[in-house]
Amino acid sequence: AQSVAQPEDQVNVAEGNPLTVKCTYSVSGNPYLFWYVQYPNRGLQFLLKYITGDNLVKGSYGFEAEFNKSQTSFHLKKPSALVSDSALYFCAVRDLGDMRFGAGTRLTVKP
Amino acid sequence: NAGVTQTPKFRVLKTGQSMTLLCAQDMNHEYMYWYRQDPGMGLRLIHYSVGEGTTAKGEVPDGYNVSRLKKQNFLLGLESATPSQTSVYFCASTITQSRVPGTDTQYFGPGTRLTVL
Repeated sequence: AQSVAQPEDQVNVAEGNPLTVKCTYSVSGNPYLFWYVQYPNRGLQFLLKYITGDNLVKGSYGFEAEFNKSQTSFHLKKPSALVSDSALYFCAVRDLGDMRFGAGTRLTVKP
Repeated sequence: NAGVTQTPKFRVLKTGQSMTLLCAQDMNHEYMYWYRQDPGMGLRLIHYSVGEGTTAKGEVPDGYNVSRLKKQNFLLGLESATPSQTSVYFCASTITQSRVPGTDTQYFGPGTRLTVL
């Protein structure tokens, strides 16, 4: 069965520093991987996805993610964090079945 | 475009009561989904629909029913609510145009916060 794990409940970074939100996956076939962001009292918004091709995927708001097949990871990154990036981030995976979401990582960027 | 809308935004029920949550999308999307979001558990799929008149079970379907009588609407029903159904419910939709099935971006509604006492 497909699944994703987000090993950190909370990530704290200072504004201007690089950020990483971790995600590992488990699938039986080819992985289709997604990152979504949720701001307070809002629905999820799509950031980026990996289907095939380049391992480095660029998405919205300056975010990018690196697909690493050998480590079964799809970590979300941004070179310079903004206070406005503070939100709940979800990794998700799909192969042949439904989309499965991770438990979420709360990112806090402090001024 | 309004995108994906959900009504109501908030609701409090007593155990045993019933209610229907409405999801509407104006993007002509084929696929629609109902998820529930619980702390520490991410989103879990309740039911989904791949087109008008069709529905299918997701990961956690028990206690819920759905209907897709019109392409733009997807209804989620609770026949006899229990406290375990206290959650935030999200609707989502996708258009199926990717060459690789199941890889289309999901568009989410703002959510319905349901409390069952």
